[in-house]
Amino acid sequence: GESVGLHLPTLSVQEGDNSIINCAYSNSASDYFIWYKQESGKGPQFIIDIRSNMDKRQGQRVTVLLNKTVKHLSLQIAATQPGDSAVYFCAENTRYSGNTPLVFGKGTRLSVIA
Amino acid sequence: DGGITQSPKYLFRKEGQNVTLSCEQNLNHDAMYWYRQDPGQGLRLIYYSQIVNDFQKGDIAEGYSVSREKKESFPLTVTSAQKNPTAFYLCASRTGQGRSPLHFGNGTRLTVT
Repeated sequence: GESVGLHLPTLSVQEGDNSIINCAYSNSASDYFIWYKQESGKGPQFIIDIRSNMDKRQGQRVTVLLNKTVKHLSLQIAATQPGDSAVYFCAENTRYSGNTPLVFGKGTRLSVIA
Repeated sequence: DGGITQSPKYLFRKEGQNVTLSCEQNLNHDAMYWYRQDPGQGLRLIYYSQIVNDFQKGDIAEGYSVSREKKESFPLTVTSAQKNPTAFYLCASRTGQGRSPLHFGNGTRLTVT
């Protein structure tokens, strides 16, 4: 498999600004996508999900956008707060039956500057 | 509160010893998963189980073993055959109904010296 370095992509934003975290996927058979937030020393926490029959879904302060044409997923966080500092992962599920495992992206570290 | 419990949070072992990591869920979920996470990396799938008494290998199953005797429990054994066992291990579960997110425990950090 692909060798992954020790350094994650990092996004630094000022407190109060909006954050956009991007994720590319390669499997056109993927039909369900999830964003997770992981704080240091903890397990990933579910943020929001979206099915492939939707282009956009909103939650509390978060919006997920799905562009199936270019196989791109983004997570927008409004009015970023220090508590949003974490690593964010996207995950995808393919269009097959059963509980086939999610495939996780490498993650992006969000750093909020107070 | 419903959730996934992993224990212990930190585990230290000598090289050559087998060690078992516990994962218990009270969410009544059918499917359970074990992932491994190394510093600065994503999650890699070790084993998963969609139903009691059945499990499948993930991408990095070598050196690991699991059992699923009860719906609530999915222990992972890291054997002496695992060449690089030091890592952060995450257990997760989800319902068997359609597309749904994984719920994760808070992980076990295993250090082998």
